[in-house]
Amino acid sequence: GESVGLHLPTLSVQEGDNSIINCAYSNSASDYFIWYKQESGKGPQFIIDIRSNMDKRQGQRVTVLLNKTVKHLSLQIAATQPGDSAVYFCAENRGGGADGLTFGKGTHLIIQP
Amino acid sequence: NAGVTQTPKFQVLKTGQSMTLQCAQDMNHEYMSWYRQDPGMGLRLIHYSVGAGITDQGEVPNGYNVSRSTTEDFPLRLLSAAPSQTSVYFCASKQSTGQGNEKLFFGSGTQLSVL
Repeated sequence: GESVGLHLPTLSVQEGDNSIINCAYSNSASDYFIWYKQESGKGPQFIIDIRSNMDKRQGQRVTVLLNKTVKHLSLQIAATQPGDSAVYFCAENRGGGADGLTFGKGTHLIIQP
Repeated sequence: NAGVTQTPKFQVLKTGQSMTLQCAQDMNHEYMSWYRQDPGMGLRLIHYSVGAGITDQGEVPNGYNVSRSTTEDFPLRLLSAAPSQTSVYFCASKQSTGQGNEKLFFGSGTQLSVL
């Protein structure tokens, strides 16, 4: 069935490098996408979101890119810091029904000193 | 403004016991929901509510009951706990449904173990 997925369960990067976390989606009708960060023992925390009428959106040290042609979403984190260690989830809003967010399984970002 | 508050943070139950996971939000959000999070499974929707007095089933509702008597509170009840319900439970809320209101705000979770 259709799903939101992530290419890698674990991503290890050096402190100070840029991180790129990828997400694939299969529902071309999805019109909204969102990234959450979940630190150990805590609930998911909003990072950034993007609508389907955009292909790029920037926040503080984070950028989300949306490629609707290949149904691909990515989260870029600049100058990765130890505090960025967490599991990152993408989610899509497929529309229809009262709850449209469908979550991927998550990527664990590990920061190497 | 505390956001979404969940209690308890940890709970251990024996098979067959019942309990209620509490969730409260102080953001005047119409929409509230419960998710469970299992290793390698991501977040799966259990039940949700679009307003006081209204509840509906999500992806994995079996074994759970909910009610929404007030805007602020959305308790999740396990009537007869089973080991398969061992999980981390998250409550989440958002302003309302519809475009422009997709962002969910999550509580800090309840870790439940059923022996």
